Amino acid sequence: SAVISQKPSRDICQRGTSLTIQCQVDSQVTMMFWYRQQPGQSLTLIATANQGSEATYESGFVIDKFPISRPNLTFSTLTVSNMSPEDSSIYLCSVTGTENEGQFFGPGTRLTVL
Amino acid sequence: AQTVTQSQPEMSVQEAETVTLSCTYDTSENNYYLFWYKQPPSRQMILVIRQEAYKQQNATENRFSVNFQKAAKSFSLKISDSQLGDTAMYFCAFMNQGGSEKLVFGKGTKLTVNP
Repeated sequence: SAVISQKPSRDICQRGTSLTIQCQVDSQVTMMFWYRQQPGQSLTLIATANQGSEATYESGFVIDKFPISRPNLTFSTLTVSNMSPEDSSIYLCSVTGTENEGQFFGPGTRLTVL
Repeated sequence: AQTVTQSQPEMSVQEAETVTLSCTYDTSENNYYLFWYKQPPSRQMILVIRQEAYKQQNATENRFSVNFQKAAKSFSLKISDSQLGDTAMYFCAFMNQGGSEKLVFGKGTKLTVNP
């Protein structure tokens, strides 16, 4: 299994500002995933980030709002841009193990937008 | 598109007893993986158990076991000898074999273990 860290663990932000969340993995991985978990809800995939290519966004999520970087095989960032209170959520990154291992998750970033 | 349904928003069980959480899914694929994840109040997502669709034998991990019924597209989780530390949200998840390796999650079941 992979060990994944995220920074920050939580933040309180003002509407209209942007926050960049970092995800660091202790081993090289091909695919990294970013999820949003709104209060009391399940996880929704925002995008898949592959090193050396543009991220692939799910329906309802756009690059202008959630730009993603993947500069190498152990690191990725997700930016939440022009935030509104509706962006208040937990944001989680994950990586794949072997195929039948599913995904391993970071501890999440709890974002509150005032 | 695949969908995952967890019909029990909340459940409770007494410590040391057994509880079963339900999950059904919809897919036209034949080869896939199913998972149960646990999310305690710390919000860390923890993999509890996994099942390969091509295996007829139900997966078991210590006190956790599944009842996988492929034809019925059902994947329930049984927790035996429930412990207070089992209190958490439990999410059922689906992943196609090969391809994008994306996980599709159910809405979750909040399990409370009472002393």
